[in-house]
Amino acid sequence: DSGVTQTPKHLITATGQRVTLRCSPRSGDLSVYWYQQSLDQGLQFLIQYYNGEERAKGNILERFSAQQFPDLHSELNLSSLELGDSALYFCASSVGLAGVSEQYFGPGTRLTVT
Amino acid sequence: GENVEQHPSTLSVQEGDSAVIKCTYSDSASNYFPWYKQELGKRPQLIIDIRSNVGEKKDQRIAVTLNKTAKHFSLHITETQPEDSAVYFCAAPREGYALNFGKGTSLLVTP
Repeated sequence: DSGVTQTPKHLITATGQRVTLRCSPRSGDLSVYWYQQSLDQGLQFLIQYYNGEERAKGNILERFSAQQFPDLHSELNLSSLELGDSALYFCASSVGLAGVSEQYFGPGTRLTVT
Repeated sequence: GENVEQHPSTLSVQEGDSAVIKCTYSDSASNYFPWYKQELGKRPQLIIDIRSNVGEKKDQRIAVTLNKTAKHFSLHITETQPEDSAVYFCAAPREGYALNFGKGTSLLVTP
C-alpha cells in the first residue's frame, strides 16, 4: 500500500457525462500528479498541483480540470466524456517536486465510457 | 518536455537469465531517473531510482546504470523469477516537475 488513496475504483458512465475522480496523497506529501494510462498511449502526465497551486500541465484536454484543496486532496473533473476517455487514471504524490523526491502512485480509477 | 525512449517493448527470458531494459532521454539537465514495475491491473510501483551524481545503483537482483554522456540509463534484473513478469517503465523529469514515462517493456519470465 503506497498510502495514496483514490476513489472510486471503477466508474462506468455514458458519453457526454461528467465525472469527478478523487485522490488523497500520502501524509506529508504536498505534490499531487494526475496521469492517464490507456493501452496505446502508456502513462501520460496530465497535471500537477503543489500545495494547492497548479505547477505543471501536460497533455490535459480542455474538457478536463483539476484542483487541490486546502487539506491537499485533489479532484480531477472530466466533462463531455468521449469513448476515447476510457482509461485508468492514476494519482501520484510526492513530498516535493519530481526530480527531488519519489512519486508514489494510488491504485487508480478505471473509467469506462459507453 | 523530456522525451524518453524505452526498448525493447517486449522481452521474454527464461527463469534464471538476466533481463536488460534500456532508456534514453533528451534533456541533459535531467537529474533523477526512476524505474517502475506495474503488474496487470495494479498501480506502478517504484522499484529503484538513480540520481545523476552516481553511475550505478544496486538493490539485490536489480541494478540501474546511468551514462550521462550518452544520455541513457538501463535496468538490469539478474536471476529472473516468474514473479518478475510485469511491465516496467522508465521515467525522467519533465521541466523539473512531473515525470515523462517511456512506453513500457512487457517482461515475461518463463519457468
